[in-house]
Amino acid sequence: EAGVAQSPRYKIIEKRQSVAFWCNPISGHATLYWYQQILGQGPKLLIQFQNNGVVDDSQLPKDRFSAERLKGVDSTLKIQPAKLEDSAVYLCASSISTGGYYGYTFGSGTRLTVV
Amino acid sequence: KQEVTQIPAALSVPEGENLVLNCSFTDSAIYNLQWFRQDPGKGLTSLLLIQSSQREQTSGRLNASLDKSSGRSTLYIAASQPGDSATYLCAVRRYGGSQGNLIFGKGTKLSVKP
Repeated sequence: EAGVAQSPRYKIIEKRQSVAFWCNPISGHATLYWYQQILGQGPKLLIQFQNNGVVDDSQLPKDRFSAERLKGVDSTLKIQPAKLEDSAVYLCASSISTGGYYGYTFGSGTRLTVV
Repeated sequence: KQEVTQIPAALSVPEGENLVLNCSFTDSAIYNLQWFRQDPGKGLTSLLLIQSSQREQTSGRLNASLDKSSGRSTLYIAASQPGDSATYLCAVRRYGGSQGNLIFGKGTKLSVKP
């Protein structure tokens, strides 16, 4: 089974620029998550999709972050404008069930550096 | 509020040693607990998933236990190898709130010396 695909692997941008990350979950996984992992910390949920609808975006900084999951398959996370504190690894995960009963599968992540 | 703590933050052992990583959580109302491995600059690889009704799970040299009542889980690694060097994260999936919200600890960075 193919894993969760993410691109790009690395991105360096200047503050106030915009950036977008892409994620393609495992085929058949209805639930998709975006996590932010700051160096030395555990990942923190940004947004959860069930098919193409948002289940939870309570921790997403909506003034600068946006995400969409058109057609309920792949997803894009955007930051505009970026701040220095957005430097982190952005992880995409998917699960076959809404509640994560069978666990979560994570992608390799996108490492963002804002300078 | 659910909090997950992992001790120690870092661990260095000689090759061949058996070792235990600890994870504690403050709210015992969890759905399941998952252990992950993270290599530097990489994503998370799932190691073991323990449902709330289970006591332990095993995969190869890895054994994870869960004691919900005391809010603890341990990851036992037998006969450690240099290739086991990585950061190990535990995460609990809680009841209620966001259905898919995993709460992570900060991880234990393991270094196995040849």
